[in-house]
Amino acid sequence: AQKITQTQPGMFVQEKEAVTLDCTYDTSDQSYGLFWYKQPSSGEMIFLIYQGSYDEQNATEGRYSLNFQKARKSANLVISASQLGDSAMYFCAMRELHTGTASKLTFGTGTRLQVTL
Amino acid sequence: ETGVTQTPRHLVMGMTNKKSLKCEQHLGHNAMYWYKQSAKKPLELMFVYNFKEQTENNSVPSRFSPECPNSSHLFLHLHTLQPEDSALYLCASSQGNFEKLFFGSGTQLSVL
Repeated sequence: AQKITQTQPGMFVQEKEAVTLDCTYDTSDQSYGLFWYKQPSSGEMIFLIYQGSYDEQNATEGRYSLNFQKARKSANLVISASQLGDSAMYFCAMRELHTGTASKLTFGTGTRLQVTL
Repeated sequence: ETGVTQTPRHLVMGMTNKKSLKCEQHLGHNAMYWYKQSAKKPLELMFVYNFKEQTENNSVPSRFSPECPNSSHLFLHLHTLQPEDSALYLCASSQGNFEKLFFGSGTQLSVL
């Protein structure tokens, strides 16, 4: 069963507007971590933001915030004040903390965000 | 610049060739990973090394052979690949068991 679902293959947003990228996940574990990565055309995966399952507050990193709704198993990424440089693929990922020896992430299929003038 | 360097950036090879992908991390991390990224599919974890020991082989065909001589270097040796192996191969590293991954820019592999 797919563990990370990103239902939006592509999104458009106007510069300076906010955009929400959806992510739902499936796990039976109580302890897990959720990540968002950005992949520009250069190919490199850039870490954006992290939310732990026990974190009380929604994570924020500059213009990025994570709308974490544990009961719904959703971890949507909100980008405020979009910039042209935000155009990229965005991946949601989950780490289940019982996996043991090293940090294995399961990724979604990604959302391609295009920021327009 | 994430501190993870992959070479080459692009590679074209025939099905009978032998080539190697190289990854080097300058972050002092103890875990390194190979991921495969195919079009329209989620990233697939291939191998995990923790303190130079392989801790995960995600049912990867034997035509892919990883090597981790030390905590800073990771190789992926390729031989007799198939056209469906064409993909972006991403290397990553992390510090500790539960830390975020730092990725390289990847090697775009085309198998003819």
